[in-house]
Amino acid sequence: EAQVTQNPRYLITVTGKKLTVTCSQNMNHEYMSWYRQDPGLGLRQIYYSMNVEVTDKGDVPEGYKVSRKEKRNFPLILESPSPNQTSLYFCASSMGLDGGTEAFFGQGTRLTVV
Amino acid sequence: QKEVEQNSGPLSVPEGAIASLNCTYSDRGSQSFFWYRQYSGKSPELIMSIYSNGDKEDGRFTAQLNKASQYVSLLIRDSQPSDSATYLCAAWMDSSYKLIFGSGTRLLVRP
Repeated sequence: EAQVTQNPRYLITVTGKKLTVTCSQNMNHEYMSWYRQDPGLGLRQIYYSMNVEVTDKGDVPEGYKVSRKEKRNFPLILESPSPNQTSLYFCASSMGLDGGTEAFFGQGTRLTVV
Repeated sequence: QKEVEQNSGPLSVPEGAIASLNCTYSDRGSQSFFWYRQYSGKSPELIMSIYSNGDKEDGRFTAQLNKASQYVSLLIRDSQPSDSATYLCAAWMDSSYKLIFGSGTRLLVRP
């Protein structure tokens, strides 16, 4: 089954404790991205990757890191989480750079930083 | 100005009516547009994609694109209570390789 898998689904952590949210897709997609969703603000892009070893900042990259060492995986790293990073996070992938293909979303990760 | 704008709603329609959702975008170079449906706490799922001016129909859903006026709309015919969700409009920005989402319109279909 074609899918984007995020883990964990729910995470409560403390300020400053490094964490990683994993994202994996099995569709051989080139383009992957991370979004955060906050009430009233919609989905905002954090980082995106056009292929292996090619990543770039989205609209809200501060406080986040990503890596793309393999085509299927695109982890999101919070080196020192803060309460303002409490949010619902989605990983998404799509086939290619032309953007003319649909984005498939993971199930979401609800992160709470206390 | 936001790159993709939607009325947040809620838009309330009776069961069986037509729901009309609208979206405007700022990048004239955008060529690809998408409508996603999102139930509370769930991930967005694609309903329609549209790339050319005019209408595109799929079952009860019709997407409309007008590039000259820079707006996209989604019509839902014979609305059902199960259509109650937030509808997200998205535009692919060729200039920045980003898929930009509007903040979503909440639709309520009253039984």
